[in-house]
Formats: sequence, structure tokens, C-alpha cells
Amino acid sequence: DAKTTQPTSMDCAEGRAANLPCNHSTISGNEYVYWYRQIHSQGPQYIIHGLKNNETNEMASLIITEDRKSSTLILPHATLRDTAVYYCIVRVARNTDKLIFGTGTRLQVFP
Amino acid sequence: GAGVSQTPSNKVTEKGKYVELRCDPISGHTALYWYRQSLGQGPEFLIYFQGTGAADDSGLPNDRFFAVRPEGSVSTLKIQRTERGDSAVYLCASSKPSVSSNEQFFGPGTRLTVL
Repeated sequence: DAKTTQPTSMDCAEGRAANLPCNHSTISGNEYVYWYRQIHSQGPQYIIHGLKNNETNEMASLIITEDRKSSTLILPHATLRDTAVYYCIVRVARNTDKLIFGTGTRLQVFP
Repeated sequence: GAGVSQTPSNKVTEKGKYVELRCDPISGHTALYWYRQSLGQGPEFLIYFQGTGAADDSGLPNDRFFAVRPEGSVSTLKIQRTERGDSAVYLCASSKPSVSSNEQFFGPGTRLTVL
């Protein structure tokens, strides 16, 4: 699976959009971009995934560049409860397979 | 509905002892995964089951670690002769068959401390 690079930490004001970048320059054509987050003392939680088109769900939006070498997770109106570590993972969407986590981005939302 | 549950939530043991950690996946999820997470790091894959069989155990660090899932539901991670370096949060996740996604649902983890 392709390696990803994320900033170690980011801050965001409550109510503002949080834009979390991820670089995955070695991504293969059949690999998807997945995002998970982990709130303190909890297990990771799935947020969203995509292949090449932008995706949106009730939690977030995922913007993937045309060359697919990078992506951005957008939390449109960050709340204090969005404070967490966000992991960008690139992998083939097979029926079942392990997730390979990096160290993620620690997002701190402040009042 | 009920999520993935793990017991115990905390386990303190002494070096050299044997421990068992239990995972109850979401009903109907055929795939089950074990990860462990050290402080400040992302979760690290250990093993995954498809049904009763271990489909990939490449992440188990050594032969002191073993996991079973005899009936294709509950799984137990077993650690023999524990070492201080085994201290970590052990996470379990499950997923259901899907052709387009592999959303894994994680439990809250078991915090293992080896003294």
C-alpha cells in the first residue's frame, strides 16, 4: 500500500472549516484514499473514502487532486468534538484487508 | 445497534504472565482484526480473521502472540510470557463483506500494562 504524508498537527477555530491535507504521491490506480479519525481514548472511526471523484457525506468532504497524488479532508464547520487525530490511509478496496496507519494529523479545535 | 466490545478495558499484569484479551465483533461481520497502539503512534496491524481462519497473521510480532476465533464470532488474543514492551492499547475491529468499501468498526480497546 502507498505511503502517505500528513502534517503532524493543525489548529482550527470552532465553526470554521478544517482542511487536512494528505500527500500520497506513489498511489496506484486501484488504490483508494481512506480517512479515519481517533478521538482521545477511543478506537478509530471511519470518516470517508474515495477513488478519484470528490466525495461528501454527513461528516466530511474529500477532495482528491486530478493526478491523485494528494487529497484534502474538509470538515466544513469544525466543533470542539472534532478534536482528534486524523489518519489518511491509501489502500486497495478489497473485501477485507488490514489498514496501515501512519502517525496522522492531530487536529485541535479551539473555541 | 451494539458496536464492537472488548474486555477487559484495562489489564495490569506482571512480566512473564499470560493474558487473554477478548473481542466481540458486530453481529454479522465476518472479518475481524486486531491492532495494537503504542503511545503517540497509529494503530499497528497484528492479525485478521475471515470467518474462523486467520487470513493474515503477518503483524504478530513473535510466537508469544496468538489469536483464535473458533466459531467465527468472538476472538481472543493471547499473549504468553508478557514483556514490558507488550504494554499498549490492543484494538479490535470488525467489518462486513462489501465490494466497494471496507469500513472497519473499532472497539474501545484494551489497555494492557505489563509491570
